[in-house]
Parts: sequence; structure tokens; C-alpha cells
Amino acid sequence: DAGVTQSPTHLIKTRGQQVTLRCSPKSGHDTVSWYQQALGQGPQFIFQYYEEEERQRGNFPDRFSGHQFPNYSSELNVNALLLGDSALYLCASSPGTGRETQYFGPGTRLLVL
Amino acid sequence: DAKTTQPNSMESNEEEPVHLPCNHSTISGTDYIHWYRQLPSQGPEYVIHGLTSNVNNRMASLAIAEDRKSSTLILHRATLRDAAVYYCILRVLLGGGADGLTFGKGTHLIIQP
Repeated sequence: DAGVTQSPTHLIKTRGQQVTLRCSPKSGHDTVSWYQQALGQGPQFIFQYYEEEERQRGNFPDRFSGHQFPNYSSELNVNALLLGDSALYLCASSPGTGRETQYFGPGTRLLVL
Repeated sequence: DAKTTQPNSMESNEEEPVHLPCNHSTISGTDYIHWYRQLPSQGPEYVIHGLTSNVNNRMASLAIAEDRKSSTLILHRATLRDAAVYYCILRVLLGGGADGLTFGKGTHLIIQP
């Protein structure tokens, strides 16, 4: 049983560009959450998708957007990249009933130059 | 969200017990206490959770104070593989729906051989 997978593993972009990160949830999970983890900090919640809708959002600007597909996989899009967007982006999946254990992928490390 | 306070770092020797404290003085009656850990270069992984009673699983034990204002994660016999950042997180008990996790900075556990 494959766990949560994310692609790509590493990415380098320049300021002002746009980036798309991808996540495939653990088998049987229909909820996907995205987190940003700056160096030396704990992960910060970006948003959560369930039934192809964003159902909760953390304190992140509209430059951060997402999508969930019918097969429950998800994308995180970041527009107009800033240097401060350099971070590890983590995806987590869980069953849609809520309050369940979240299973995290290995993350995508984004460097903005 | 109720806040948790953890020491920035702790050090222990291999094959000895480790007690990781967490203070959550503003915890409400509907908050579960969850612990996740993040090994180097990996996403966080679930360790254990509890509400009022002490809990045990194959990874660790969770001791919860009678007033629930603090808890302790216990690793009974630490190995080098337990070196990680440990996060104490409060999650609302009731209902389904959105459940983005709120991470603090966690405790960086160092295991000496």
C-alpha cells in the first residue's frame, strides 16, 4: 500500500514565477491538506480539500491556491513567487470523517531565487 | 486555538527512557492531545494521542496530568532512530469537518550513542 506521494522532490524557481506541486493521497483517503514548513519551523497549515472543495484555509494569501481531482489527488499552486516562499511543502491525507490521523508525504523542497 | 509549550531541545542517551513534556494550560474539554514526530528529511508522522487517560502503543506512552494542563510523551527505550522533532498538538474532539493541524516549533530530541 503506497503512502502519500509528492512530486517533484525538489524545485528551483525565480521570483515572480508560478509553481505547481502535486500530491497523491494514501489509498482510501479522500481528504488532502497542504502545509508549508520554513527552515527551523514547524509546518504551517495552508488549506484542506475534501470532495474537490476547499473546506478550511490557514493564514495564507490568495497567491496560494489548490485543486482536488475526482481521484482525490491534489495540486498546490503558488503565483508570483517571493523569496519567502522558499520552504518544504508537505501534503497530508486523511479519511474525510475529520479528526483522523493525518499521514504526511516526504514533501517538495522549493527554492526561490 | 489552544496553545502548547514545549522545550526547544532535549538530549538523552541511547537505550534510556525519554520524557518529553508539553504544557497546554488553556486546553478545553473538547481537545485531544496529539503527538507527531518528524525524522530528518521526512514528513511528520503520528505517534500517539489521548484525551484524559494515559495511553500506550507500540511507539510510545502518553501520560496526561489529572487537570489536563500538561502531558508527557514517554519513549521507554530510546534508539538513535528516535532522534527527531516532536510536536505536541491539540485537536478538537467533536464532530467531523475540517481539521488542519496547528504545529508549534516542537522539541528537537538528540540521542547520544
